[in-house]
Parts: sequence; structure tokens; C-alpha cells
Amino acid sequence: GAVVSQHPSRVICKSGTSVKIECRSLDFQATTMFWYRQFPKQSLMLMATSNEGSKATYEQGVEKDKFLINHASLTLSTLTVTSAHPEDSSFYICSARDLRSNQPQHFGDGTRLSIL
Amino acid sequence: GESVGLHLPTLSVQEGDNSIINCAYSNSASDYFIWYKQESGKGPQFIIDIRSNMDKRQGQRVTVLLNKTVKHLSLQIAATQPGDSAVYFCAELNAGGTSYGKLTFGQGTILTVHP
Repeated sequence: GAVVSQHPSRVICKSGTSVKIECRSLDFQATTMFWYRQFPKQSLMLMATSNEGSKATYEQGVEKDKFLINHASLTLSTLTVTSAHPEDSSFYICSARDLRSNQPQHFGDGTRLSIL
Repeated sequence: GESVGLHLPTLSVQEGDNSIINCAYSNSASDYFIWYKQESGKGPQFIIDIRSNMDKRQGQRVTVLLNKTVKHLSLQIAATQPGDSAVYFCAELNAGGTSYGKLTFGQGTILTVHP
């Protein structure tokens, strides 16, 4: 089945650090990737949608200069949390989809980000 | 409208019982729905899907029911097992336009199966 790999699985760093999270589709081409944030005991909230080669579309209330998204190839998207602060601590999850197929989104296993 | 992140409701069942998890969706124009299972520390895992031209779909031990009149989905798990313990989310696909297949997730339900 389709596999999405997310790296790293866990990050602990100091306030003010920028953190990059990678999302890779391993056995299919991801025309579109999605980035979600999930707080404890809550649902997934979509942050942004990125299409390969285009600028990401951010959901209302998500700061594009804070959460930089790059989707330069059909197999890789990155999310960079710039100058992270404790309130950015969360579980970040990516998903990927090939819009040319009828397959649903496939999710990575998430990145637990803890800002001290 | 968008689903709002809320604290998750819980469902506790005994092993071997049937479980029913409910979900209300928000957009009457959505035409595709998915149930996901999320185990602790992991991403959502696809369970079963249904299109809006159907009202029932069965998989292995799972059945999804769709009631478009009241915008309601349910997931039935037969003979629930301890390995079914997880958080279950419904998601609706916002079809058409420039949504690029964007999913909107429901609030989720924590299922705990007791041996």
C-alpha cells in the first residue's frame, strides 16, 4: 500500500529554534500534500495544502511566515516552524495524495514537537 | 463550515461487543467520507470510505452508514477486540473547486476495549 514517511518522529528544542519536518511519499507521486496540527485529545486541524511546484495555501489563522512549506518535488514536502515557541508544541502530521488517482490521502506517522 | 477542535468523547466496551461510533458532518455538499483510526503517537490509518450515492458499505468487521438527510455517519465495529482501542475520526472530502481534495475531520471518539 501507499506509504508516507515523516521525519523526525520527535523533536525537542529550545525556544527560538527553527525546526524542519520532512514528509516523503515512498511509492507514489504526491501531487498534493497536506499539513495538520493536532493538540492532545483534539482532532486534526488542517494548516495548509501544498501542490508540487506551487506556493502553499494556508488555512485561516495559520501564519505563512511562521510555518514555511516547500513542496519542490512529487515525493517531498517540508514544513519549517520558524523561531518556535512553547505554544508551537504540538503533533504535526502530513498526508499526501495523488490527485490524478482516486486514492484517498495517506498519512505519515506524525512529528511530536516539544519546545522548551 | 469547519469542524472545531474539541475534547474527544469516549466509548468503553467489552471485548466481543459491537461498537457504534457516531459522527456529524458539516458540509451538505461533501460527497465522500472516510473513517480513520488513530493509535497513540501515530498518524491516522484508513479504515473504510463511502460515497454520498451510497447509504451503507461493509468491510471486514466494519460497516459505515451514511444518512445524508441529517448529515450523520456511523462506524460499526463487530466483535470489538482490544486492538481496536484507538481514536476514531470521520472525515469529509470537500469536493470540487480549488479544494484539492481537502479533508475536514470530525471531533473524534476515543474507543477503549476492555478484555
